[in-house]
Amino acid sequence: GAGVSQTPSNKVTEKGKYVELRCDPISGHTALYWYRQSLGQGPEFLIYFQGTGAADDSGLPNDRFFAVRPEGSVSTLKIQRTERGDSAVYLCASSNQGAGYTEAFFGQGTRLTVV
Amino acid sequence: GESVGLHLPTLSVQEGDNSIINCAYSNSASDYFIWYKQESGKGPQFIIDIRSNMDKRQGQRVTVLLNKTVKHLSLQIAATQPGDSAVYFCAEIRNSGNTPLVFGKGTRLSVIA
Repeated sequence: GAGVSQTPSNKVTEKGKYVELRCDPISGHTALYWYRQSLGQGPEFLIYFQGTGAADDSGLPNDRFFAVRPEGSVSTLKIQRTERGDSAVYLCASSNQGAGYTEAFFGQGTRLTVV
Repeated sequence: GESVGLHLPTLSVQEGDNSIINCAYSNSASDYFIWYKQESGKGPQFIIDIRSNMDKRQGQRVTVLLNKTVKHLSLQIAATQPGDSAVYFCAEIRNSGNTPLVFGKGTRLSVIA
C-alpha cells in the first residue's frame, strides 16, 4: 500500500484480556515507531525499531507491553492483561532513517477501548 | 496558554486571516523540530520542519519560526482555510537523531467560514 496501515482500526476488549495491534509500514522503510495518544494529548512514544531490533523501548509503560518486528517490516504491539487505563489510540509510524530524523509517516491508528 | 487533558488550547480564526500557533519546548539539547497537523480520526501529518541552526523556514502558506533563546517555536499559516481546521502539534528530537520524536500537547485550530 501507499501509506502506513494499522489494523484493526477499532478494538474493544475486556479488562484482563490480551490484545495484538498490527502495523504495516511503508515498503522499504527501515524505522518503525509506536506511539500512544490519549484524548486531548500529543502522541507519547512507546518503542522504536530499526530493522528487526528494538533500538529504543524506553517508552513502554510496563512489562505488559511488548512489540516485535521479526522480519523488519510488519510490527505487532502486544498488550497483556489489559487495564482500563490502556484505552487510547495507538499510532504507528515509519521512516527511511532512524529516530525520526526524516519525515515519519503515521498510520490512522488503532483505537483501543478496554471495558 | 497550555492545558492538560481534554482542554486543548484553541485558536479560532476567520477564513482568510493568518494564524499563529505557538509551542514552548523544554530541552535545549533538541536540535530538530517538526510541526504536525492531525485531523479527527487520522494520524499526524507532517507540515514543516526546522533545524536548530536556522531561525526561520518557509513552506507553502506556512512559516516556522524558532527562537532558541527562549525555547519557543511558532507556526504561521497564511490565508487560513477551512481545511486547515485540525489539531497542531510541535515535536522535537533530542540528541541529534538518537531519540525519537517527542510531541507537545497540541493546539486546536478552528477556522470560521
